[in-house]
Amino acid sequence: DAKTTQPPSMDCAEGRAANLPCNHSTISGNEYVYWYRQIHSQGPQYIIHGLKNNETNEMASLIITEDRKSSTLILPHATLRDTAVYYCIVRASSGSRLTFGEGTQLTVNP
Amino acid sequence: DVKVTQSSRYLVKRTGEKVFLECVQDMDHENMFWYRQDPGLGLRLIYFSYDVKMKEKGDIPEGYSVSREKKERFSLILESASTNQTSMYLCASSAPGQGANTIYFGEGSWLTVV
Repeated sequence: DAKTTQPPSMDCAEGRAANLPCNHSTISGNEYVYWYRQIHSQGPQYIIHGLKNNETNEMASLIITEDRKSSTLILPHATLRDTAVYYCIVRASSGSRLTFGEGTQLTVNP
Repeated sequence: DVKVTQSSRYLVKRTGEKVFLECVQDMDHENMFWYRQDPGLGLRLIYFSYDVKMKEKGDIPEGYSVSREKKERFSLILESASTNQTSMYLCASSAPGQGANTIYFGEGSWLTVV
């Protein structure tokens, strides 16, 4: 699975959009981009995934660049409960291993 | 919603004890996984299973075994717990097949071996 690079930490004001970037320049054609988050002491929570097109669900939006070498997770209206470590993962559909990097610690401030 | 339930959130066991960590999923997923998560080491795959009675070793199987007698249940067994097995254990499940097969995690089980 391709390696990803994320900033170690970000801050966001409550109610504003949080934009979390991820670089995955070595992604291959059959690999999906997944985003998970982990709130302290809990298991990782699935947020969203995509292959080529932008995706949106009730939690977030995922913007993938045309060359697929980077992506951005957007939380449109961040709340205090969105404070967590966010992981960007690139994984082939048949992969059993889910390799979590260091992720981005997002802190939402009141 | 997918539900992966781990039977115990917090356990304290003594060195040498046999420990069972139970996991149940309600989405009829074929694939189930056990990971452990340690600070600075990320998630590491211990064992996974593609079907009932099937199991495959992950990256760190030593000191662990697993059991998959029913599709919805995947158990992790520490035959003789040691202090270096103090960790957070995460169970996960996914459907098989082509395309994206999202892996869903349970809440985690914090095991302390003293």
